[in-house]
Amino acid sequence: TQLLEQSPQFLSIQEGENLTVYCNSSSVFSSLQWYRQEPGEGPVLLVTVVTGGEVKKLKRLTFQFGDARKDSSLHITAAQPGDTGLYLCAGTDSWGKLQFGAGTQVVVTP
Amino acid sequence: EAQVTQNPRYLITVTGKKLTVTCSQNMNHEYMSWYRQDPGLGLRQIYYSMNVEVTDKGDVPEGYKVSRKEKRNFPLILESPSPNQTSLYFCASSFWTGGTRELFFGEGSRLTVL
Repeated sequence: TQLLEQSPQFLSIQEGENLTVYCNSSSVFSSLQWYRQEPGEGPVLLVTVVTGGEVKKLKRLTFQFGDARKDSSLHITAAQPGDTGLYLCAGTDSWGKLQFGAGTQVVVTP
Repeated sequence: EAQVTQNPRYLITVTGKKLTVTCSQNMNHEYMSWYRQDPGLGLRQIYYSMNVEVTDKGDVPEGYKVSRKEKRNFPLILESPSPNQTSLYFCASSFWTGGTRELFFGEGSRLTVL
């Protein structure tokens, strides 16, 4: 059983559309991270959020940490083919252990 | 260039033939870790090391060994590989930064055990 549930598992959209990926848990995390993994490569850190309710923006990507620090979302505006990849959320629990979700595969077609 | 280097990137082996996957980082990170990635299961931690000569089990340590004799290197050893260890393996390293750990990953090692 995944401690962090990501939804949807797979998302296919056209270039220019918006998308949102969710990361949910029944546990509280001290921080939440989002990574993106492209084929044949390791995950690369996009952002870390540490405060409940925190919103961070990275160009067309908006990350939000839930008020209760149990969930997070990633929103991409006007998606581009370069946004294609596996998006992984990872939470740090109260013991300092990092737990990963199973990931959301995003495909953006031209 | 800051990086985590794993070798080999691809390996096909047979059941019971010992193998080692090497991992080296050039960022002077204290923390290093090994993960395996399987479809639908995400990244699961195998072993981790907080510093030289300090290693500990992760969530799925059975069938694996590690060592940390030097700060930069953290090899993963499969003494007697079995088909259920067929997977994509990632090494990662980090500093410990204010209660969270920002991982730098290698490019992965795809292992097939026949």
